[in-house]
Amino acid sequence: GEDVEQSLFLSVREGDSSVINCTYTDSSSTYLYWYKQEPGAGLQLLTYIFSNMDMKQDQRLTVLLNKKDKHLSLRIADTQTGDSAIYFCAERGNDMRFGAGTRLTVKP
Amino acid sequence: GAVVSQHPSWVICKSGTSVKIECRSLDFQATTMFWYRQFPKQSLMLMATSNEGSKATYEQGVEKDKFLINHASLTLSTLTVTSAHPEDSSFYICSARVGERATEAFFGQGTRLTVV
Repeated sequence: GEDVEQSLFLSVREGDSSVINCTYTDSSSTYLYWYKQEPGAGLQLLTYIFSNMDMKQDQRLTVLLNKKDKHLSLRIADTQTGDSAIYFCAERGNDMRFGAGTRLTVKP
Repeated sequence: GAVVSQHPSWVICKSGTSVKIECRSLDFQATTMFWYRQFPKQSLMLMATSNEGSKATYEQGVEKDKFLINHASLTLSTLTVTSAHPEDSSFYICSARVGERATEAFFGQGTRLTVV
């Protein structure tokens, strides 16, 4: 089946930028998403990008999409301790497929 | 944004019993709902897609008779874990979208099921 992959862990210092990467295989993806999950909670949609865009910025969040390489990234500027969570990328073709999630740890 | 309410948030049940989890779209009609399962430190795995008024489409490897899905109305889908076993313990999350052209899916807060 189609696959979405992302690295499992990322650790940064407070104030630094975080970059979370994701690759996917489904060439029919129409939308790509970033979700945040805090412990024991559901998923919170952070942002999404349409597949014909290559960049989207929303306050501290920047999403870059390289459709040719099927590579998606999420950059969080000025990372704060409250940003510590698991971040899932997801792609939508006929249904939604998720990566394994990247656990972001922000050190003070 | 739209709200999806999932109930209960957590449940503990004995082996062999059945548990029903509800997923409701509170302020919109959801033609399609998805059920996911999340194992500890792992990703969300799509279990099934349910469309209102028709049978759910299950992903490969998901037992239809064990995980019964009913999408009886445009605002409610239910997942029943039948004859639960400890290995069914997991975090179950539903999501809903309005239609094929919807840009995003809205997620419930999840249900943590523990089977003892």
